[in-house]
Amino acid sequence: YEVTQPPSVSVSPGQTASITCSGHNVGDKYTSWYQQKSGQSPVLVMYQDNKRPSGIPERFSGSNSGNTATLTISGAQAVDEADYYCQAWDSRLHVVFGGGTKLTVL
Amino acid sequence: EVQLVQSGAEVKKPGESLKISCQGSGYSFSLYWIAWVRQTPGKGLEWVGVSYPGDSHVIYSPSFQGQVSFSADKSINTAYLRLASLRASDTAIYYCARLSSGSLSAGNWFDPWGQGTPVTVSS
Repeated sequence: YEVTQPPSVSVSPGQTASITCSGHNVGDKYTSWYQQKSGQSPVLVMYQDNKRPSGIPERFSGSNSGNTATLTISGAQAVDEADYYCQAWDSRLHVVFGGGTKLTVL
Repeated sequence: EVQLVQSGAEVKKPGESLKISCQGSGYSFSLYWIAWVRQTPGKGLEWVGVSYPGDSHVIYSPSFQGQVSFSADKSINTAYLRLASLRASDTAIYYCARLSSGSLSAGNWFDPWGQGTPVTVSS
């Protein structure tokens, strides 16, 4: 099973950024999203499609339906610049990561 | 605070083996799965596998089967990743991360992550 992300997304400060994660019937699976800033470890920003961990700003939201899961950042800020990875589980309970999306806020 | 602390950076020669540690604190270590993830320079995240310290149950990614092994020492809340017969292509940062529960299911997520262990394999 594979999930695919766009290599890069650009957004102006204050605008909405949408990062997609495409896979066959990914809407039937739970997805998680991780933010990785340069030189740092990944950090969970969304789990079970649309649940936000404690400490993650409300501007982060998630959805998952059909063949696409989406991480949305409403009112993106410079501090949100990072690589974002989606993650799912296949039918054998093996973990699948997307290739990552570099978010640029400028 | 739940925390995972990994061992420090390593430099190895091709053919050597390596053991990376991941010590958990702030929770019942034996009751949660630990995942291992590799990140090669400038690349994305690759799942290496998961292990359950409570009963040593392990699941390896087919991409890493035969090249890695997991173990744990519950007495010191530490999980280990062993890499055998290292190659230059094993140069990467290796992360451990805790799964969200003790039941392996498709609803699990990874949180928190360790700080990563950089591994360099070079002659």
